[in-house]
Amino acid sequence: DGGITQSPKYLFRKEGQNVTLSCEQNLNHDAMYWYRQDPGQGLRLIYYSQIVNDFQKGDIAEGYSVSREKKESFPLTVTSAQKNPTAFYLCASSLLYRNTEAFFGQGTRLTVV
Amino acid sequence: DAKTTQPTSMDCAEGRAANLPCNHSTISGNEYVYWYRQIHSQGPQYIIHGLKNNETNEMASLIITEDRKSSTLILPHATLRDTAVYYCIVRLLDNNNDMRFGAGTRLTVKP
Repeated sequence: DGGITQSPKYLFRKEGQNVTLSCEQNLNHDAMYWYRQDPGQGLRLIYYSQIVNDFQKGDIAEGYSVSREKKESFPLTVTSAQKNPTAFYLCASSLLYRNTEAFFGQGTRLTVV
Repeated sequence: DAKTTQPTSMDCAEGRAANLPCNHSTISGNEYVYWYRQIHSQGPQYIIHGLKNNETNEMASLIITEDRKSSTLILPHATLRDTAVYYCIVRLLDNNNDMRFGAGTRLTVKP
């Protein structure tokens, strides 16, 4: 089945450790996005990518890094520089230049202790 | 992308129509209006989108004003399962598509 998959669903890390969240899509979508969501808040854009080997910062990119080596994959690394990493992280993908919707993964809940 | 403004929360009685407003007064001519919803702790789900004309699908209707500065999402017969946060966003469909969301409207459908 086509879709967008985030893994793992829950992730626990110790403070000071880097952690990488996975996002894979088999929809042949050009664009991929990462969002952060805090309790009771909306989605805030971290990074987005519209083509392989290229990506742009969103509104809250500090303390995060991404790569786009393959069209279907857009991993997000939460680095030790991110001061408040505990949050719900959502990945999305969409076609460019097309009048269609974006698809979201089911999210990864990261808890840093 | 243009910014959107939505009420923070709304209530609706089960079985009645839910009308969710969205203001996008700075929308440009080639930006589409999209609606998504997010049920607690899940990924957002696409509902509907439009450019100028009103749109309807199996989930909802979208009414866009003639000047395109606002729109209304209509859930014709709200059920308890429609309780969610509803996001209105505007998107360019070109190579500068950053797809930003606001805080959305928390709709609570009550029995």
